[in-house]
Amino acid sequence: QKEVEQNSGPLSVPEGAIASLNCTYSDRVSQSFFWYRQYSGKSPELIMSIYSNGDKEDGRFTAQLNKASQYVSLLIRDSQPSDSATYLCAVNTGFQKLVFGTGTRLLVSP
Amino acid sequence: GAVVSQHPSWVICKSGTSVKIECRSLDFQATTMFWYRQFPKQSLMLMATSNEGSKATYEQGVEKDKFLINHASLTLSTLTVTSAHPEDSSFYICSAEEVNEQFFGPGTRLTVL
Repeated sequence: QKEVEQNSGPLSVPEGAIASLNCTYSDRVSQSFFWYRQYSGKSPELIMSIYSNGDKEDGRFTAQLNKASQYVSLLIRDSQPSDSATYLCAVNTGFQKLVFGTGTRLLVSP
Repeated sequence: GAVVSQHPSWVICKSGTSVKIECRSLDFQATTMFWYRQFPKQSLMLMATSNEGSKATYEQGVEKDKFLINHASLTLSTLTVTSAHPEDSSFYICSAEEVNEQFFGPGTRLTVL
């Protein structure tokens, strides 16, 4: 079983819709969770970090964490074509190291 | 967020040569930096954790004699790919940690002919 799992997609949504990206992780002791956005040919960019159960909102982005169910999600409201990218879920399993999922490719059509 | 730079952004070299990649934290001090490698259409793979003033910690399967890491100051870590071969061609990305968050450099695309 992979440590961090994401649906590879692509997830296609029309412009203005809500995009919902999901991630599950296997290590119950994980404490820190991150969402990165990666455009093709570029390096990852940190979008959100979340450490406690519940929702965390930042602009059009909302991260949701449920430690009991071991999942993290990212909601993107009012999706824009510029949001089209691969979204990487990352989990800190301890010792500072991040474990990345394989990413979900999001396509936002005008 | 914090700013991390990498140099060079791309490099082409002949098989057998060595290539050095620099990673700098520009607006903060980073006691810990990380080196990742990413092959096309694959996710990031951690190669090593670089700690200022001490030896790097390499992930299983990563040859420490081939991928030399030096973290001589709180703002600079270097990765040297020694005796590079075509299979080392990849996208190398560093990150630096600030307040429990990792910020990535722009990456270095290495092509070994």
